[in-house]
Amino acid sequence: DTEVTQTPKHLVMGMTNKKSLKCEQHMGHRAMYWYKQKAKKPPELMFVYSYEKLSINESVPSRFSPECPNSSLLNLHLHALQPEDSALYLCASSPIYYNEQFFGPGTRLTVL
Amino acid sequence: EDKVVQSPLSLVVHEGDTVTLNCSYEVTNFRSLLWYKQEKKAPTFLFMLTSSGIEKKSGRLSSILDKKELSSILNITATQTGDSAIYLCAVEARSGGGADGLTFGKGTHLIIQP
Repeated sequence: DTEVTQTPKHLVMGMTNKKSLKCEQHMGHRAMYWYKQKAKKPPELMFVYSYEKLSINESVPSRFSPECPNSSLLNLHLHALQPEDSALYLCASSPIYYNEQFFGPGTRLTVL
Repeated sequence: EDKVVQSPLSLVVHEGDTVTLNCSYEVTNFRSLLWYKQEKKAPTFLFMLTSSGIEKKSGRLSSILDKKELSSILNITATQTGDSAIYLCAVEARSGGGADGLTFGKGTHLIIQP
């Protein structure tokens, strides 16, 4: 299995909702990442997990809460988001020491 | 602050032409430079470069890194309409132990006309 999967593909939520994005990989990668990509912009790093521990948080607001329950899964919990948080959320994984990151298809999030 | 600059930002050529895309970077503790192709979905990996002067090739695509000039080029020969995409350059900077995220340039939007 050489792919990263993400669910859901699309998500529409209100500003008071709580939702979660899920990411899964079975390539044995021990690093996993969340990126945010706005329209016509490059991906921007949000979080990095190394060996299931949060190693990098790029000053992301606390309304985004990542979780890595095991080496194959990565979640992003969303609460009280703003319309400007609407974007494509990309998950990626890589081996720890060779940063050849493989991206999932993304979740397109719309906050109303 | 780490910086990755790509040029040109957009490029329109005819099928069969050869194109060269540029990427320059300013990062502390450079580790690797990566090229991705993005169509309407997630970026797909093309190349990872860590050593200067060594060309990586895959079919009609090739890339080389110049660590002295802090830059890289991506060449595509005999372009096809399927090469139309945004080409992203990203740099990994070493932050210590463990994995590092990528800093992306704004991308080159390449359009191949039949």
